[in-house]
Amino acid sequence: DTEVTQTPKHLVMGMTNKKSLKCEQHMGHRAMYWYKQKAKKPPELMFVYSYEKLSINESVPSRFSPECPNSSLLNLHLHALQPEDSALYLCASSLRVGAGLPYNEQFFGPGTRLTVL
Amino acid sequence: EDQVTQSPEALRLQEGESSSLNCSYTVSGLRGLFWYRQDPGKGPEFLFTLYSAGEEKEKERLKATLTKKESFLHITAPKPEDSATYLCAVQPPQGGSEKLVFGKGTKLTVNP
Repeated sequence: DTEVTQTPKHLVMGMTNKKSLKCEQHMGHRAMYWYKQKAKKPPELMFVYSYEKLSINESVPSRFSPECPNSSLLNLHLHALQPEDSALYLCASSLRVGAGLPYNEQFFGPGTRLTVL
Repeated sequence: EDQVTQSPEALRLQEGESSSLNCSYTVSGLRGLFWYRQDPGKGPEFLFTLYSAGEEKEKERLKATLTKKESFLHITAPKPEDSATYLCAVQPPQGGSEKLVFGKGTKLTVNP
């Protein structure tokens, strides 16, 4: 299995809703990532988990709450989002993570298209 | 500040018309340069990793090359199914290996 899966593919939510995005990989990767991508822009890093611990939070608003239940799963809990949060949310994983390591390819999932009304 | 610049922003080719996409970077001592293909509304698909100047990688009609300041993605005899946005990303030398610096991408359209 060499892929990253994400559910759901599409999500429409109101500003008062609570929803979750899910990501799964079975490649034995120890780093997992959440990215946000707006139309015609490159992906923007939101969070990084390394060995199931949050290692990077790129000053993301608290209405986004990540969770890593185990080495294969990554969730993104959403609450009280704003219309400007509408975007493609991408999950990625890489084999390893750490300072001084050589190149470290990240593999992306298909994304969840989120629309906030 | 580390920067990655891709050119052109958009490229239209006729089927069979070979061309190259450019990715220039200001990172010194990068640990890796990556090429991705992204179809509309989908996640980036990993294509290549380049690590040292002079390195070349090939996959079907695509060939990626790396110098000390830039990388090229050569597309030979493209087909309409090669239409996509091609993203370049570099892994800077400092800090952890998690953060990639992405270019803005080149949108390639191949007409039949």
